[in-house]
Amino acid sequence: GNSVTQMEGPVTLSEEAFLTINCTYTATGYPSLFWYVQYPGEGLQLLLKATKADDKGSNKGFEATYRKETTSFHLEKGSVQVSDSAVYFCALTDGGYQKVTFGIGTKLQVIP
Amino acid sequence: DTGVSQDPRHKITKRGQNVTFRCDPISEHNRLYWYRQTLGQGPEFLTYFQNEAQLEKSRLLSDRFSAERPKGSFSTLEIQRTEQGDSAMYLCASSLKGALFFGSGTQLSVL
Repeated sequence: GNSVTQMEGPVTLSEEAFLTINCTYTATGYPSLFWYVQYPGEGLQLLLKATKADDKGSNKGFEATYRKETTSFHLEKGSVQVSDSAVYFCALTDGGYQKVTFGIGTKLQVIP
Repeated sequence: DTGVSQDPRHKITKRGQNVTFRCDPISEHNRLYWYRQTLGQGPEFLTYFQNEAQLEKSRLLSDRFSAERPKGSFSTLEIQRTEQGDSAMYLCASSLKGALFFGSGTQLSVL
């Protein structure tokens, strides 16, 4: 079945540091890939997505590229802010957009 | 607010009692999902509806759990004879095609 593996946190960075959160996946067919974010006290929100190989999803300064050859979808941001402190979830769905499978989440803490 | 809404936000119950949660999806979304999330874990799939049809149910879901989506609109998730292990955040999400839009969840505590 489908599965998502992402790096365990917490990740602690200073403001303006470079962020990478690794995510790899196992899936049959051609999944769509997502990053969701959960800010403290809030529900899950879609951050970005990519639906086919070599697509780059981007939003709010975050980027992730769908790499089929390495089955990866790493999340990056060039300069993090304190307001980026949250839990980030990598996820995938099959081509029919049915069940979405999530990773365990990576907590990011950005300190001033 | 036209997002996904869930009710109640919090539920405290005693072991052995039945509980029911409600989810109102975004109106034009035909797909509705229930997930469960515990501390430090990602959301775990429970079940999925397309319109009023329940198309998939997790094998991890015991017979004490049942979900309905009458008329393809709102959905309810019922847990019978609750156990302490049922304590979790229950999340509802909806979609038209593609990304899920989540509600704020119902936090269940079973004493």
